[in-house]
Amino acid sequence: QKEVEQNSGPLSVPEGAIASLNCTYSDRGSQSFFWYRQYSGKSPELIMSIYSNGDKEDGRFTAQLNKASQYVSLLIRDSQPSDSATYLCAVNLYDAGGTSYGKLTFGQGTILTVHP
Amino acid sequence: KAGVTQTPRYLIKTRGQQVTLSCSPISGHRSVSWYQQTPGQGLQFLFEYFSETQRNKGNFPGRFSGRQFSNSRSEMNVSTLELGDSALYLCASSLATWTVSYEQYFGPGTRLTVT
Repeated sequence: QKEVEQNSGPLSVPEGAIASLNCTYSDRGSQSFFWYRQYSGKSPELIMSIYSNGDKEDGRFTAQLNKASQYVSLLIRDSQPSDSATYLCAVNLYDAGGTSYGKLTFGQGTILTVHP
Repeated sequence: KAGVTQTPRYLIKTRGQQVTLSCSPISGHRSVSWYQQTPGQGLQFLFEYFSETQRNKGNFPGRFSGRQFSNSRSEMNVSTLELGDSALYLCASSLATWTVSYEQYFGPGTRLTVT
């Protein structure tokens, strides 16, 4: 089982709809969770970070974290064609030595397409 | 504030050669992490430097090495290049401390092609 897994894509939604992206992770005392967006040929761009259970909203984006279920999600409301990209879930997992300095473990990514 | 910069942006090397990539973090950021991104393996962690110290290392062979300078700029070196080293190499900087990791911001990457 992979340490960080994302729901298989690709995901296609119509313009104006809600896109829901999901991610599960192996539990090793993870404290930090991130969502990145990566356009084709570009580097990942941080769009959300979440550190505690519950919801965190930023504009059209809402991140949800449930540590008990080892689950983090990203909702994109009023999806736009410009949201079409690969979305990467990243977790700051502790290693066997109990450290996690600077290491993000990424899911395989979910390709989102928003069609007009 | 200027973002993370990486040089060069593109590089073509031959098998057996070595290569050095450079990364300048966001001003004030002392942590620099390096990642390799390939279509098959996705984004994989190489190593992290903080205050000129390597604090963490991923599962890559010893051909991959790095260092950080006193101004927080970082370099990574790959010796004896193999075809499988062809990838996008990304560095990310963070406003980390000795005990806490925060958000990482990525540079544009260096696209390395090994022929």
